[in-house]
Amino acid sequence: EAGVAQSPRYKIIEKRQSVAFWCNPISGHATLYWYQQILGQGPKLLIQFQNNGVVDDSQLPKDRFSAERLKGVDSTLKIQPAKLEDSAVYLCASSFSGDTQYFGPGTRLTVL
Amino acid sequence: GQQLNQSPQSMFIQEGEDVSMNCTSSSIFNTWLWYKQDPGEGPVLLIALYKAGELTSNGRLTAQFGTTRKDSFLNISASIPSDVGIYFCAGHTDSWGKLQFGAGTQVVVTP
Repeated sequence: EAGVAQSPRYKIIEKRQSVAFWCNPISGHATLYWYQQILGQGPKLLIQFQNNGVVDDSQLPKDRFSAERLKGVDSTLKIQPAKLEDSAVYLCASSFSGDTQYFGPGTRLTVL
Repeated sequence: GQQLNQSPQSMFIQEGEDVSMNCTSSSIFNTWLWYKQDPGEGPVLLIALYKAGELTSNGRLTAQFGTTRKDSFLNISASIPSDVGIYFCAGHTDSWGKLQFGAGTQVVVTP
């Protein structure tokens, strides 16, 4: 069974530029999550989708971050404009029943 | 809000030794998960626990869901070099709730 796919794996941008990350969850998993992991910390949930609806986006900085999951499968996370403090690893995870989450390899973002 | 305290922060051990780490929560959790993260990779699920008192093994790894439902433990027996990495505990209060993560335990194994 294929795991959670993410791209790109690495991205370097300058502050105030925009960036987008893509995630393809495990087939059949209705729930998709985006996490931000700052160096030395555990992942922090940004947004949770159930099919193509948002379940929780309480920690998403909505002035600059946006995410969508239009057909209930793939998802994109966008940052516009990026700030220095957005440098982190962005992890996508998916779940079938909501209790166990499986993570992708992540996208390491560096904002200069 | 909920807080997960994971300890120790780091461990330096010799190959063959056993490793123990734990996680405590300020709230009752319904699920405890243990993940391992290698550099440049996403967390990989090691063990999932769903019931208070549950003891589950995965090879040399053993984890327990504390009876108070506010803590969990992970043990690694007879450590080997590939056990190096950061181990995270995580838990949530319901199946669709936000997964809370500990800060991680960095394990370094020396030959």
